[in-house]
Amino acid sequence: AQKVTQAQTEISVVEKEDVTLDCVYETRDTTYYLFWYKQPPSGELVFLIRRNSFDEQNEISGRYSWNFQKSTSSFNFTITASQVVDSAVYFCALSEVSGGYNKLIFGAGTRLAVHP
Amino acid sequence: DGGITQSPKYLFRKEGQNVTLSCEQNLNHDAMYWYRQDPGQGLRLIYYSQIVNDFQKGDIAEGYSVSREKKESFPLTVTSAQKNPTAFYLCASRGPGQLNEQYFGPGTRLTVT
Repeated sequence: AQKVTQAQTEISVVEKEDVTLDCVYETRDTTYYLFWYKQPPSGELVFLIRRNSFDEQNEISGRYSWNFQKSTSSFNFTITASQVVDSAVYFCALSEVSGGYNKLIFGAGTRLAVHP
Repeated sequence: DGGITQSPKYLFRKEGQNVTLSCEQNLNHDAMYWYRQDPGQGLRLIYYSQIVNDFQKGDIAEGYSVSREKKESFPLTVTSAQKNPTAFYLCASRGPGQLNEQYFGPGTRLTVT
């Protein structure tokens, strides 16, 4: 069965520390996509990144970087020099296409608290 | 501005009443989704729709119903049969392409007492 595991329930760091959020997935599909979303206190989920299963190149966007390793079925997210505004719940998600329908399988989320 | 709107932000109902949550999008997306989020938990899929007049049950559809009469709108009704309806409800839509990302609305927090 498709599954996404975010083992870290909560992480607390001090501003300017680097922090890595872990994501491990299980899938039978050979073609799939992985996603990260941010949920700030307002509640709306904000899309951060999409990565397809054929592209294992790491990606960097400002202070954010993502490390995709197919060999370990992991798609980890690192925030460099964290800031208070990074405080949020972060979700990792895996695409699932079944019977012609597309769904996302979400992990349970990791709550990140960045303290001044 | 293009986006997804959900109204109202907060909704209060008495037990035994049906309530309908609104979700509208002007992104011209075919696919739309409803999720439920409980405190400290991830998102669980309630219903989804690939095109107008088509919808499928998600993982926790019992006690909920939907309709998709227009491309822009995907309302969710929480019926009295839903045993524990108090939760945060999120609507999302997805653009063309099976594996594209979903975009989310601001959510509706429903409290049933």
